[in-house]
Amino acid sequence: ETGVTQSPTHLIKTRGQQVTLRCSSQSGHNTVSWYQQALGQGPQFIFQYYREEENGRGNFPPRFSGLQFPNYSSELNVNALELDDSALYLCASSLEPGARSSPLHFGNGTRLTVT
Amino acid sequence: GENVEQHPSTLSVQEGDSAVIKCTYSDSASNYFPWYKQELGKGPQLIIDIRSNVGEKKDQRIAVTLNKTAKHFSLHITETQPEDSAVYFCAAPNDYKLSFGAGTTVTVRA
Repeated sequence: ETGVTQSPTHLIKTRGQQVTLRCSSQSGHNTVSWYQQALGQGPQFIFQYYREEENGRGNFPPRFSGLQFPNYSSELNVNALELDDSALYLCASSLEPGARSSPLHFGNGTRLTVT
Repeated sequence: GENVEQHPSTLSVQEGDSAVIKCTYSDSASNYFPWYKQELGKGPQLIIDIRSNVGEKKDQRIAVTLNKTAKHFSLHITETQPEDSAVYFCAAPNDYKLSFGAGTTVTVRA
């Protein structure tokens, strides 16, 4: 069973640029969620994708957007990068949408640094 | 929405001793409570979870207890070992997302 894989592992961008992060879900999982983890804090929910559509969104501005593909993999796009966007971006997959029934399995994240 | 508070923020224990981390939640409708372990440079790993129809669950040296009336749940690690050193997060569901506590950094002293 292949776990959740994310790429790249590290990324350095300049303020104002755009970035795309990628995630492959665990085998058999059809739902992907993205979380942002600032240093020393718990993960914060960005959004969830199910059946190629956004299924729920946290308190993040529209410059954070995503996609889910037919093979359940996903992308997180961030436009107009700000210094505060520097964080670990985590992708998690699950068997079902929502968070009450199906455990989330996380990848190792992409460390984004904005200078 | 769900608000999860976690204590303590840091915990140092002697190898072989027990460690206990406590969390409280606000949404009485929450029915699923996972615990994650995060090692340096890695993503959170699910180590144990509990559903609201049981009060306790054990898996080898780790256990979780749940008190729905008081709206708190705890992680217990017995016979701690150096490899237990990590950051631990509790979480509770809020519709489609998990709300996480702020984390507990556990250090096991040899």
